[in-house]
Amino acid sequence: NAGVTQTPKFQVLKTGQSMTLQCAQDMNHEYMSWYRQDPGMGLRLIHYSVGAGITDQGEVPNGYNVSRSTTEDFPLRLLSAAPSQTSVYFCATRVTATTDGYTFGSGTRLTVV
Amino acid sequence: DAKTTQPPSMDCAEGRAANLPCNHSTISGNEYVYWYRQIHSQGPQYIIHGLKNNETNEMASLIITEDRKSSTLILPHATLRDTAVYYCIGVRSNDYKLSFGAGTTVTVRA
Repeated sequence: NAGVTQTPKFQVLKTGQSMTLQCAQDMNHEYMSWYRQDPGMGLRLIHYSVGAGITDQGEVPNGYNVSRSTTEDFPLRLLSAAPSQTSVYFCATRVTATTDGYTFGSGTRLTVV
Repeated sequence: DAKTTQPPSMDCAEGRAANLPCNHSTISGNEYVYWYRQIHSQGPQYIIHGLKNNETNEMASLIITEDRKSSTLILPHATLRDTAVYYCIGVRSNDYKLSFGAGTTVTVRA
């Protein structure tokens, strides 16, 4: 049981490049979400999904796309990277039928130059 | 979701109990109080949650006042590895989104 796996751990992009941050979980959690954390700040919700085929926007969705074709995977796509997207990105999952807490991945540290 | 207020920082001696306060005076009847912590550069870690009863697990205890306007997270025997930012968050039972504030930076000193 690996929990929540995020790849890559570190990434440097040039402005305008696109990339996909991967999030995979093996806990059969219906709910998956992406957060970003900027220096000295709390986490802000980007996108979330309550199940395969269902996604919705969070607090800061602009510049990001998501899809949820399987229960296990929830990739986050940066369409055209900007320096403002330099941040640490966390994937979080949980079961929807309970009040259990979230399981977070270890994060992807992204730098856009 | 309820706005929560936490002190920005606090120190604790190793081996002593750490009591972390959180005010949530606007909490609604179906909002749970959740506590998470984030050790430097790692993903947040769930600690405990409660609705109105006090709760205890292997990590901590959660004491919620009778009027539910505040709560206290208790780490019974703080260790150096408990140094982290601790977040108190209100989450409605039918919602899944977490809204993180600045949290309390807890430093456990030897």
